[in-house]
Amino acid sequence: NAGVMQNPRHLVRRRGQEARLRCSPMKGHSHVYWYRQLPEEGLKFMVYLQKENIIDESGMPKERFSAEFPKEGPSILRIQQVVRGDSAAYFCASSRQPGQDHSPLHFGNGTRLTVT
Amino acid sequence: KQEVTQIPAALSVPEGENLVLNCSFTDSAIYNLQWFRQDPGKGLTSLLLIQSSQREQTSGRLNASLDKSSGRSTLYIAASQPGDSATYLCAGQGTYKYIFGTGTRLKVLA
Repeated sequence: NAGVMQNPRHLVRRRGQEARLRCSPMKGHSHVYWYRQLPEEGLKFMVYLQKENIIDESGMPKERFSAEFPKEGPSILRIQQVVRGDSAAYFCASSRQPGQDHSPLHFGNGTRLTVT
Repeated sequence: KQEVTQIPAALSVPEGENLVLNCSFTDSAIYNLQWFRQDPGKGLTSLLLIQSSQREQTSGRLNASLDKSSGRSTLYIAASQPGDSATYLCAGQGTYKYIFGTGTRLKVLA
């Protein structure tokens, strides 16, 4: 029973390039969350998605960032025209039905993005 | 808007001590309260989940309690070991999203 799978583990991009981060939720989970962690800081909520729907993107920067969770395939967090300030660890988490008991959050190992 | 605070920010103790980590939240309307452990450069490992109808959960040397009325949760670690050294994060779940505290960085000295 595989956990939350994120790839790549490490990603290096030059300023101005695009970064694509992938996340496959745990089996049976249809709710995906993306969080960002800057060095020495806590986890900041970015976006919450269900299959084919963005439910809450209140934590996403207004420009350059987008997320999707298609009917088939992994969830994708896309950062266009990356800047040095985008360097961070990006974590994906999944759960069953949130807002109910017995719905813990399970995390992937993260993607560490470095912008040079 | 939910805000989660963890105290202390860092803690250093000798091996064998019992210790308590504190987590407070501003909005008592939470469904679940979950404690995680994060090792340097790694992801988050779930330790304990306290459901809204529960007051505490135990797993091995760990015990977590939840008092929604006062907006507090504590994580108790018994007989600490050097392998417990990590950052401990609490997160409160509202309608659907979890809001994280900034964590307590624990170091257990051998």
